[in-house]
Amino acid sequence: NAGVTQTPKFQVLKTGQSMTLQCAQDMNHEYMSWYRQDPGMGLRLIHYSVGAGITDQGEVPNGYNVSRSTTEDFPLRLLSAAPSQTSVYFCASTREGSDNEQFFGPGTRLTVL
Amino acid sequence: SQQGEEDPQALSIQEGENATMNCSYKTSINNLQWYRQNSGRGLVHLILIRSNEREKHSGRLRVTLDTSKKSSSLLITASRAADTASYFCATSGGYQKVTFGTGTKLQVIP
Repeated sequence: NAGVTQTPKFQVLKTGQSMTLQCAQDMNHEYMSWYRQDPGMGLRLIHYSVGAGITDQGEVPNGYNVSRSTTEDFPLRLLSAAPSQTSVYFCASTREGSDNEQFFGPGTRLTVL
Repeated sequence: SQQGEEDPQALSIQEGENATMNCSYKTSINNLQWYRQNSGRGLVHLILIRSNEREKHSGRLRVTLDTSKKSSSLLITASRAADTASYFCATSGGYQKVTFGTGTKLQVIP
């Protein structure tokens, strides 16, 4: 099993550009989440999904969209990138009934100029 | 806002010593988890303690939970250079309420 995979590993955008961060898991986990990690801030929840077709907002959802068309994939879209979105983004998955133990991907380091 | 706050923010010890880091949180929880993050990597789950448990062990890890004080501690015994990483507590009151603290950066000097 590959676990949770994320692409790309690194990305540089200009302000106003759009892009999609990809996340996939092969563990058949029901729950998936996106976090951003900034220095001194720990991880903050952006959006999450409890199953295909169901998404909800986390703590810092503004500027980001998500969709969950399949159990495996949970892409994060930045519609119009801003310098404040410079961060490291982590995708995580969780098996339902597992006390919320999260399995993390390796992260995407995004810089917005 | 962050639910958990770790203390200290940074810790430097010699190999073989014990490392203790603390986590305080604000609201009631179902469980508390500890994760490790090596530099440039994603977080890895270490151990989970439920709200009705007071202490839990896993190998060289010992976690305590005091729900009356809303605090937890992670003890790593006989530390090794490979334990150098950042450690985060995460509290869970339901799926949508998994929140992470700001982390403790541990350096173990060989």
